Amino acid sequence: EIVLTQSPGTLSVSPGESVTLSCRASQSVSSSFLAWYQQRPGQAPRLIIFGASFRATGISDRFSGSGSGTDFTLTISRLEPQDFAVYYCQQYGSTPVIFGQGTRLEIK
Amino acid sequence: EVHLVESGGDLVQPGGSLRLSCAASGFIFKQYAMTWVRQAPGKGLEWVSTISRDGRDTYDADSVKGRFTISRDNSNNTLYLQVNSLRAEDTAVYYCAKDLASTMTSFGSDHWGQGTLVTVSS
Repeated sequence: EIVLTQSPGTLSVSPGESVTLSCRASQSVSSSFLAWYQQRPGQAPRLIIFGASFRATGISDRFSGSGSGTDFTLTISRLEPQDFAVYYCQQYGSTPVIFGQGTRLEIK
Repeated sequence: EVHLVESGGDLVQPGGSLRLSCAASGFIFKQYAMTWVRQAPGKGLEWVSTISRDGRDTYDADSVKGRFTISRDNSNNTLYLQVNSLRAEDTAVYYCAKDLASTMTSFGSDHWGQGTLVTVSS
């Protein structure tokens, strides 16, 4: 079973700054079937990135994903107030489908 | 617009059962695999079960295998999760989610409902 480790656990940044979130897999993720989700308080998760680097429909180009194999990143540029949320990576190339433990992005 | 509405969550005693439902609209339901994901209070996301487009293939997390059963009714655009032998650790918000792909079961999800809360407690 693949284990996904996200870092850091919490990131405190100011609006307007850029951040990079990390997701490391314990073994190679099949065909880059790696997704990122955003979850705001009290809301359902929202797909941001799929296939490691493809933005979901309606997602701002301030969000970008990269990586392959075992190392993946989500970069958010020019942070806006609505970006402050919890971000989860997910590998969906094999079962069991696994989520990382999440990175909380908070306003400094 | 894709719309997923879960229902059926409740307070139930340990060992009890529930049937969760997810009403889908805004897309051709029978063309997409569907998934249940849960989130315990204050915790992260946990994949539960996935069902193929035609319902013939199902996939379950080890934590629910033998206790939970995913199914679907393509004539009524509804996804189900029968949850039996409930334990305290099954307490969570249960989300249904639509698959990314229309030609295969990708196991990724591009639209999620708002969830239904299952609380297991005596």
